[in-house]
Amino acid sequence: SVLLYQKPNRDICQSGTSLKIQCVADSQVVSMFWYQQFQEQSLMLMATANEGSEATYESGFTKDKFPISRPNLTFSTLTVNNARPGDSSIYFCSSRPGGYAEQFFGPGTRLTVL
Amino acid sequence: QQKVQQSPESLTVSEGAMASLNCTFSDGTSNNFRWYRQHSAKGLEVLVSIFSDGEKEEGRFTAHLNRANLHVSLHIREPQPSDSAVYLCAVRGGGSAKLIFGEGTKLTVSS
Repeated sequence: SVLLYQKPNRDICQSGTSLKIQCVADSQVVSMFWYQQFQEQSLMLMATANEGSEATYESGFTKDKFPISRPNLTFSTLTVNNARPGDSSIYFCSSRPGGYAEQFFGPGTRLTVL
Repeated sequence: QQKVQQSPESLTVSEGAMASLNCTFSDGTSNNFRWYRQHSAKGLEVLVSIFSDGEKEEGRFTAHLNRANLHVSLHIREPQPSDSAVYLCAVRGGGSAKLIFGEGTKLTVSS
């Protein structure tokens, strides 16, 4: 299995600012995924991030708004640019280690944009 | 594009009665299914993972998969008030790395 840690646990920011969410894995993983969840709704896959390559974004999510870095096999950062109240949600990082069918999730980062 | 739908949207059961939740998916090549529980917008707790047709039991939680019918269900035996949470179905299609979630079922267990 893999343990995923996220920082910060929660954040409050003003509209128009940018903020970063970090995800750290306790072992090397090939792919990391980022999900967005609005209150008591489904988790929406935002993007898939592989080490050393550009993240692949799902429909409705863009690199300009949510740039993702993946500098090595244990780390990823999601940035929320020009944050708006509509971006207020929980952001989860996730990973599926090679050879595992199971997918693991971080504890989530709750973002509130005022 | 995989579609995952859950029903009912919300469910109230009495403590000790069986709770049954449903999930349908659109990609018939899907081969990886799991149920998660989430208390009050907290983290995700995986309850059961199932990869082939039939039944998989983990404690009081049993998943039933019927890929021909594009259906996976979760049954909770002897639910307790602490089981009150949102239950999320997640499916990964064959050949895809993407895990797609349903909208969730909000379960309330009354004592």
